Amino acid sequence: GENVGLHLPTLSVQEGDNSIINCAYSNSASDYFIWYKQESGKGPQFIIDIRSNMDKRQGQRVTVLLNKTVKHLSLQIAATQPGDSAVYFCAENTYKYIFGTGTRLKVLA
Amino acid sequence: EAQVTQNPRYLITVTGKKLTVTCSQNMNHEYMSWYRQDPGLGLRQIYYSMNVEVTDKGDVPEGYKVSRKEKRNFPLILESPSPNQTSLYFCASSLSRGSAYEQYFGPGTRLTVT
Repeated sequence: GENVGLHLPTLSVQEGDNSIINCAYSNSASDYFIWYKQESGKGPQFIIDIRSNMDKRQGQRVTVLLNKTVKHLSLQIAATQPGDSAVYFCAENTYKYIFGTGTRLKVLA
Repeated sequence: EAQVTQNPRYLITVTGKKLTVTCSQNMNHEYMSWYRQDPGLGLRQIYYSMNVEVTDKGDVPEGYKVSRKEKRNFPLILESPSPNQTSLYFCASSLSRGSAYEQYFGPGTRLTVT
């Protein structure tokens, strides 16, 4: 079946460094991808999205890259801060949302 | 403030005792959905609703019921809860179901069934 997965369950990054979180998807028909941030005890929070007709989109300190050739999605966080510590997961959308399992980002002081 | 609210936030119950988790949104969204989140499995969709009186099954609907009598409310009903329904539940809403419509999530309801 179709699935969305993450390569690394935990990522530790030094404060101030850049973080890269990766995601693989298998449904080539997906036309919309989203990254969510989930802090402990809270619901998922939208970070950034990208449509399949784009390969890069930038937000404030975050960039999402989409490589349709290898069905890969990545989230880059610039100058990682302690407040970025959370679980991050991707989702793809065709007629429904399919969510990845998540990567925990730990920011080291 | 635009938000999705869920109640209760925490619930411990026993097997077979019917319960309802409420969900309400104040954004006039058409699309609402329920998910459960389990370790290592990510978010899985239980039921969704395209609009009032329109509901459909998601990936894991067994043991759950929903209703959509009003646009703002989308309660999740467990008629006879079982321990395998112990999970973290999230309600979400979006303007519509189509792609590029951001989903807004509630704060979650942690359910334990003993």
